[in-house]
Amino acid sequence: SQTIHQWPATLVQPVGSPLSLECTVEGTSNPNLYWYRQAAGRGLQLLFYSVGIGQISSEVPQNLSASRPQDRQFILSSKKLLLSDSGFYLCAWNWGRGKNIQYFGAGTRLSVL
Amino acid sequence: AQTVTQSQPEMSVQEAETVTLSCTYDTSESDYYLFWYKQPPSRQMILVIRQEAYKQQNATENRFSVNFQKAAKSFSLKISDSQLGDAAMYFCAYRKYGGSQGNLIFGKGTKLSVKP
Repeated sequence: SQTIHQWPATLVQPVGSPLSLECTVEGTSNPNLYWYRQAAGRGLQLLFYSVGIGQISSEVPQNLSASRPQDRQFILSSKKLLLSDSGFYLCAWNWGRGKNIQYFGAGTRLSVL
Repeated sequence: AQTVTQSQPEMSVQEAETVTLSCTYDTSESDYYLFWYKQPPSRQMILVIRQEAYKQQNATENRFSVNFQKAAKSFSLKISDSQLGDAAMYFCAYRKYGGSQGNLIFGKGTKLSVKP
């Protein structure tokens, strides 16, 4: 069976510090991978998605970047965090063409102080 | 651009009763998918039910069912025999059909409380 791991679960970082959130998927190959952000009281906003190694598409211009160094690894990064980067970050995956259900990780709560 | 609207920020239901959560969406596509996700206090997003737009029959998963009205672009979720564990945020989501990427477009959610 497939599982998705996301860490850390919570993170408190000062403004201006770097960020690295990691997401890995087990039990499948060549998944589509997604990073979403959920601000307080709001729905999920797509940040990045990837259909393959090294292929990253950005939906919202911002202070964040994403990378996919391996097939089942998706990393969300920032060189310098802003207060507005605080939120709940969710990684998700689905199979490629033909499958449409997305499965989510447990999320990371990021607080930038 | 596609949008998803959930007009009920909060709902409340008595245990064992039935509740319906509303969702409307806007799209020019004829084929697409619609989903309801549940987010309990643990914040994990859990798929509740899925509907393919080309299917006329409403999807059902145990106590959860949908009322899909394609012409009205409406996709409501009915929870029957509500249980305390149903208390959560519920998100309606849209995904277009086909394409190599399949990001979801979410509504802002409805917070459901279940009273014992």
